Amino acid sequence: QKEVEQNSGPLSVPEGAIASLNCTYSDRGSQSFFWYRQYSGKSPELIMSIYSNGDKEDGRFTAQLNKASQYVSLLIRDSQPSDSATYLCAVLTGGFKTIFGAGTRLFVKA
Amino acid sequence: DAGVTQSPTHLIKTRGQQVTLRCSPKSGHDTVSWYQQALGQGPQFIFQYYEEEERQRGNFPDRFSGHQFPNYSSELNVNALWLGDSALYLCASSLAGAKQFFGPGTRLTVL
Repeated sequence: QKEVEQNSGPLSVPEGAIASLNCTYSDRGSQSFFWYRQYSGKSPELIMSIYSNGDKEDGRFTAQLNKASQYVSLLIRDSQPSDSATYLCAVLTGGFKTIFGAGTRLFVKA
Repeated sequence: DAGVTQSPTHLIKTRGQQVTLRCSPKSGHDTVSWYQQALGQGPQFIFQYYEEEERQRGNFPDRFSGHQFPNYSSELNVNALWLGDSALYLCASSLAGAKQFFGPGTRLTVL
């Protein structure tokens, strides 16, 4: 079992729709969770962090965390073509090591 | 406020050679982590430096080594390069290991 798993996609949504990205992790001791956006040929950019169960909203982005189910998700409301990128889920383990998923490719169709 | 910087941007080496990559952290950050990202994969943790010491290491051989300087900048050294080392090498800085911010990366090609 991979330590951080994401559906590789591609996930295709029409412009204006909600994109839902999911991630599961295996280390129950993990306390910090992050979503990064990575455009093709660029480095990852931090877009959300979440540390406690529940929802955290920032603009069009909402991160959701359920530690009991070891599940993290990212919702993107009113998706725009500029949101087309690979979204990486990252989990900070009990030490200082951050584990990344392989990413989900998102395409937003105009 | 300068972000994370890395040099060089691109590098081409041949098998068996050695390479040194450099990273300057974001202003105010004291922790530097290095990652290797192969095409189509997520970044893989190589190691993290804090207070000039390696405080955690990922599943990488001893050919990968690093250093952190008193000004918090860092180097990644890779010896005995082989084809499989071709990747994007990313440096990320943070304050005490929390939220990490990535530099633009160094694209290493080993021929």
